[in-house]
Amino acid sequence: AQTIHQWPVAEIKAVGSPLSLGCTIKGKSSPNLYWYWQATGGTLQQLFYSITVGQVESVVQLNLSASRPKDDQFILSTEKLLLSHSGFYLCAWSQGTGGNTGQLYFGEGSKLTVL
Amino acid sequence: GDSVTQKQGQVTLSEDDFLFINCTYSTTTYPTLLWYVQYPGQGPQLLLKVTTANNKGISRGFEATYDKGTTSFHLQKASVQESDSAVYFCALVQGGRALIFGTGTTVSVSP
Repeated sequence: AQTIHQWPVAEIKAVGSPLSLGCTIKGKSSPNLYWYWQATGGTLQQLFYSITVGQVESVVQLNLSASRPKDDQFILSTEKLLLSHSGFYLCAWSQGTGGNTGQLYFGEGSKLTVL
Repeated sequence: GDSVTQKQGQVTLSEDDFLFINCTYSTTTYPTLLWYVQYPGQGPQLLLKVTTANNKGISRGFEATYDKGTTSFHLQKASVQESDSAVYFCALVQGGRALIFGTGTTVSVSP
């Protein structure tokens, strides 16, 4: 069975400090990977997606960057946090083949509070 | 461009009530429409998918149908339980690797 693990579960950071959030998928080779951002009580905004190692496409940057250093790992980062970065960050995966079916499998999320 | 609109922000019900949530969409392609459910502190999970091929999806007592004429699709359940309390998102598959989510409907069911 496939599992998706996000870390950390929660972070409280200062404005201007760096950030790194991670996501690991086990039990699935060559998945498509996604980062979504969700403001408190808000909708889900897609930030990045990746179909293969080393390739990341930006949908909405929000002064963030993403990387895929391994087939099963997706990293979201920034060197300088803004207050507007607060929210819930969700990593998701989908089947790497068969087109875009809309079936995403989300992790439990990382809650970020920027003060 | 492609979009989904979910106007009901909050729905408050009692157990055994009927649930109905509506969503409208706009796309130039054949739509694939989905409903996701998000429980507190968790990531969303797929509840139902509807395509032009099947017009209807059924899962866990929920039913989703779409109306091409009014470009709307809705989620309904005949008799809700307290455990159905969650946020429900409609979503539209966009070409490539994108999924557009609605703004979400918070459903609160009291015993």
